[in-house]
Amino acid sequence: SQQGEEDPQALSIQEGENATMNCSYKTSINNLQWYRQNSGRGLVHLILIRSNEREKHSGRLRVTLDTSKKSSSLLITASRAADTASYFCATDEANSKLTFGKGITLSVRP
Amino acid sequence: DAGITQSPRHKVTETGTPVTLRCHQTENHRYMYWYRQDPGHGLRLIHYSYGVKDTDKGEVSDGYSVSRSKTEDFLLTLESATSSQTSVYFCAISETGGVGYGYTFGSGTRLTVV
Repeated sequence: SQQGEEDPQALSIQEGENATMNCSYKTSINNLQWYRQNSGRGLVHLILIRSNEREKHSGRLRVTLDTSKKSSSLLITASRAADTASYFCATDEANSKLTFGKGITLSVRP
Repeated sequence: DAGITQSPRHKVTETGTPVTLRCHQTENHRYMYWYRQDPGHGLRLIHYSYGVKDTDKGEVSDGYSVSRSKTEDFLLTLESATSSQTSVYFCAISETGGVGYGYTFGSGTRLTVV
């Protein structure tokens, strides 16, 4: 069963705007990860946030984690057309396997 | 993707035939995974391996078997392919099982069962 549920399912923004994607999960986690998938390609790991962390940055990416609400958000600042992709959250429940959500489709209009 | 290759990239097969997909890594990672990706379902885990000859089932393992006779290769076999197994299959590798580090994914195998 899916652990992470991303929201919204699809997002369309203008180049230069910020994109915010949310993920909710159900059980305790060791860490939460975000991945990107370009059309026809495999998933690429973007960022990992541990359960004892609240916020993490990597370039134009900012991820937050609220374990009390069992939710995470991924913010992409100053979006570019090249950010057009599907984004997935994945949870590690300390059982050596990641559980992925269904993904968010982000379209960045030039 | 660097360090992990899947073969074949595309395959069309007939219902009832056995099919084997191969995942090969050059990273010497302990953990290997097979996921399938379907519209509306995201990625779902089929089987995974935590060492040579050590494998376990994922959430959608029915109709699939795996083998790992050496560190670098993880094979996924569809015993008797059905149309419901038409999907894109991804292999992933991990040094730590997801603890502290992300997975590296292959480019996928698009399988069509007719």
